[in-house]
Amino acid sequence: DAMVIQNPRYQVTQFGKPVTLSCSQTLNHNVMYWYQQKSSQAPKLLFHYYDKDFNNEADTPDNFQSRRPNTSFCFLDIRSPGLGDAAMYLCATSRATGKEPYEQYFGPGTRLTVT
Amino acid sequence: RKEVEQDPGPFNVPEGATVAFNCTYSNSASQSFFWYRQDCRKEPKLLMSVYSSGNEDGRFTAQLNRASQYISLLIRDSKLSDSATYLCVAPNQGGKLIFGQGTELSVKP
Repeated sequence: DAMVIQNPRYQVTQFGKPVTLSCSQTLNHNVMYWYQQKSSQAPKLLFHYYDKDFNNEADTPDNFQSRRPNTSFCFLDIRSPGLGDAAMYLCATSRATGKEPYEQYFGPGTRLTVT
Repeated sequence: RKEVEQDPGPFNVPEGATVAFNCTYSNSASQSFFWYRQDCRKEPKLLMSVYSSGNEDGRFTAQLNRASQYISLLIRDSKLSDSATYLCVAPNQGGKLIFGQGTELSVKP
């Protein structure tokens, strides 16, 4: 059974046209993450939610926003996609972080193409 | 120094070989580490968690060397299906998990 689900798996959008990617989880984990991964690079953390608390990475562009309406769902909004935003977007979840972080479980990703 | 650094790849090995990857980390206070496997154009999948000196799961062994601040992943009796990129993950001083850039493994018949 899928535990972290992402939709759509593939998304094509036009330059500057807003797009929303979705993630849902059945693990009841407190923490949800959004990563951007480009070819042959490590996943790059954009932001994460610890319950309802939003934590933005300092170098995440304002073009990227996120919403978490409830424990199970989290959305990534790209307000004005540029060609450089074409990438795989990965959602991940983990149990609540304490002194040491727990392992993260990833969804299958959404591959975004910007034309 | 990068927070998490991995051996450069790719590693090309014959089926049945033993191969080892190293990963160095900068946060000396780190207590938990992870190895993920990532197939081409797929998501990272958790391979192994390391919380103490090491961990073993079948053909896979992870060892932690705190004095030298590195963890290794050993794969014995390599299979064609082991071909993938292996990501090392460690927390930084802020508690955030940092991914290494990955080491590509190609197992040939």
